[in-house]
Amino acid sequence: QVQLKESGPGLVQPSQTLSLTCTVSGFSLTSYNVHWVRQPPGKGLEWMGVIWSGGNTDYNSALKPRLSISRDTSKSQVFLTMNSLQTEDTGIYYCNRNLNYWGQGVMVTVSS
Amino acid sequence: DVVMTQTPVSLSLAIGQPASISCKSSQSLLGTSGKTFLNWILQRPGQSPKRLIYQVSKLYSEVPDRFSGSGSETEFTLKISRVEAEDLGVYYCWQGTHFPLTFGSGTKLEIK
Repeated sequence: QVQLKESGPGLVQPSQTLSLTCTVSGFSLTSYNVHWVRQPPGKGLEWMGVIWSGGNTDYNSALKPRLSISRDTSKSQVFLTMNSLQTEDTGIYYCNRNLNYWGQGVMVTVSS
Repeated sequence: DVVMTQTPVSLSLAIGQPASISCKSSQSLLGTSGKTFLNWILQRPGQSPKRLIYQVSKLYSEVPDRFSGSGSETEFTLKISRVEAEDLGVYYCWQGTHFPLTFGSGTKLEIK
């Protein structure tokens, strides 16, 4: 059974760094790609980036200067790191397998 | 970036009525592989998105056959032959032909 679960701090201060973990089960990270998508409150979806099964990454150019995606295949975990957070980064952050299987999402609030 | 334009913004339909949602892209979504990576997902209230249709018209196995997708190049349509109560939520089209992946702004389906 394919499952993904996001975890991380619910509250981040402005200008600080966000670190999220996506723990997967039911598939191997070396066989499938994992994407990150976020959703501001009451708004639509924004693709952030992907770590390919081979380990390479691609990012949304709007976020690229601040964003990094990595993984630990031994732990079946994918990591998202984004720095210089601002209030507009508030939202639900989802990891998903090729936009087919989605995690439940984690709410991140950027506030002092 | 490819802009995805969805209409209408919202629909209010009685159970048993048909539904139609349009999705238009600013560029052709026909890829060099000959495939068109236009997909549909549904986000029910308070839930993460769920997959519906891939490559314009292919239903995932768990999706009821009252759903159908059609279109080509830059114009696409999602249809529900007879709306059921479980169909309520926000429908998004998204394209995977060009990077970055981009989403439509969503169509909210309400049940009268």
